[in-house]
Amino acid sequence: DAKTTQPPSMDCAEGRAANLPCNHSTISGNEYVYWYRQIHSQGPQYIIHGLKNNETNEMASLIITEDRKSSTLILPHATLRDTAVYYCIVRVAAGGSEKLVFGKGTKLTVNP
Amino acid sequence: AAGVIQSPRHLIKEKRETATLKCYPIPRHDTVYWYQQGPGQDPQFLISFYEKMQSDKGSIPDRFSAQQFSDYHSELNMSSLELGDSALYFCASSLAKNIQYFGAGTRLSVL
Repeated sequence: DAKTTQPPSMDCAEGRAANLPCNHSTISGNEYVYWYRQIHSQGPQYIIHGLKNNETNEMASLIITEDRKSSTLILPHATLRDTAVYYCIVRVAAGGSEKLVFGKGTKLTVNP
Repeated sequence: AAGVIQSPRHLIKEKRETATLKCYPIPRHDTVYWYQQGPGQDPQFLISFYEKMQSDKGSIPDRFSAQQFSDYHSELNMSSLELGDSALYFCASSLAKNIQYFGAGTRLSVL
């Protein structure tokens, strides 16, 4: 699975958009970008995933660059409950290597 | 919606004892994964099962074994426990190896 690079920490004001970047310059054509988050010692929570098109769901939006070498997770209106470690993970959707390889992630702190 | 259920939530054992962690996947999910998260560490993949067969293996110690049963629940058996085994153990499940959904975890403390 390709490796990803994320900033170790970010801050965001409550109510503002949080934009979390991720670099995955060695991503392969059949690899998806997945985002998970972990709120203090809880189980990792799936947020969103995409291949090459931008994706949106009730939690967040995922913007993937045209060359697919980087992406940005957007939380449109961050709340205090969004404070967590956010992991960007690249993997094949099904088959191949199934495991999730967690890197260091980005510690997002949402401030009141 | 039903989620992944792990039991027990907390477990305290002595060195050299054995422990069994259980995982009940989301209904109709056929794949189960186990991850270990040490203090201050990121989750690390241990092992996975698809349709009751082992499908992938990570850095799982030989002292650990796991299986998936006919009802798709899974158990992680840990023997000769060491202090370094103290960690959070997460189980995740998926349908046909797609999106993984995690349980709340089991916190194992080895004294």
